[in-house]
Amino acid sequence: DQQVKQNSPSLSVQEGRISILNCDYTNSMFDYFLWYKKYPAEGPTFLISISSIKDKNEDGRFTVFLNKSAKHLSLHIVPSQPGDSAVYFCAASVVNNFNKFYFGSGTKLNVKP
Amino acid sequence: ETGVTQTPRHLVMGMTNKKSLKCEQHLGHNAMYWYKQSAKKPLELMFVYNFKEQTENNSVPSRFSPECPNSSHLFLHLHTLQPEDSALYLCASSQDASGALNTGELFFGEGSRLTVL
Repeated sequence: DQQVKQNSPSLSVQEGRISILNCDYTNSMFDYFLWYKKYPAEGPTFLISISSIKDKNEDGRFTVFLNKSAKHLSLHIVPSQPGDSAVYFCAASVVNNFNKFYFGSGTKLNVKP
Repeated sequence: ETGVTQTPRHLVMGMTNKKSLKCEQHLGHNAMYWYKQSAKKPLELMFVYNFKEQTENNSVPSRFSPECPNSSHLFLHLHTLQPEDSALYLCASSQDASGALNTGELFFGEGSRLTVL
């Protein structure tokens, strides 16, 4: 049973506009969330994280929002750039058990010039 | 040198073959992981080693056998695999698998693309 879901397999956005990638989770015990970015033929790389004590974390063009009541998080990229074209994975864990991260199936973002 | 290196990058094997995937990390981390990524599916955790001890086996079939001789190296031995085992196998490392100062960030290798015929 998938505990982290990314329901949009792909997203296409014009350069300069906002990209919003969504992620839902089912396990209310999750209290730490991460986003990873993956280019073809490369491993995923860490992008940004958020703890459940916050509802927003910002790093440059990337902002992650967490809605605990809805068990939903989103990644906003503003402004989107062609180099942002990649697959984005969200992941969730319990802070005391980093042995186990649960990943979504990824959303492929295409930023058109 | 990249942080986490995996070899081989591509592997084609028959169902009766025995092969191994290798992972090496140069980051001084204490935890290492094997993940499996099948097409259109989430990354699936397979094994976790923390300070060379296996701390997680996520119900992985015995035809996959991990080995962690030290904190820098991790192997995945493959034996009598099935075509459905074809996938991208990703190795990752982190500072350690628990602890208050751990940010949880995993550092991934580029993966080994396995095809089982």
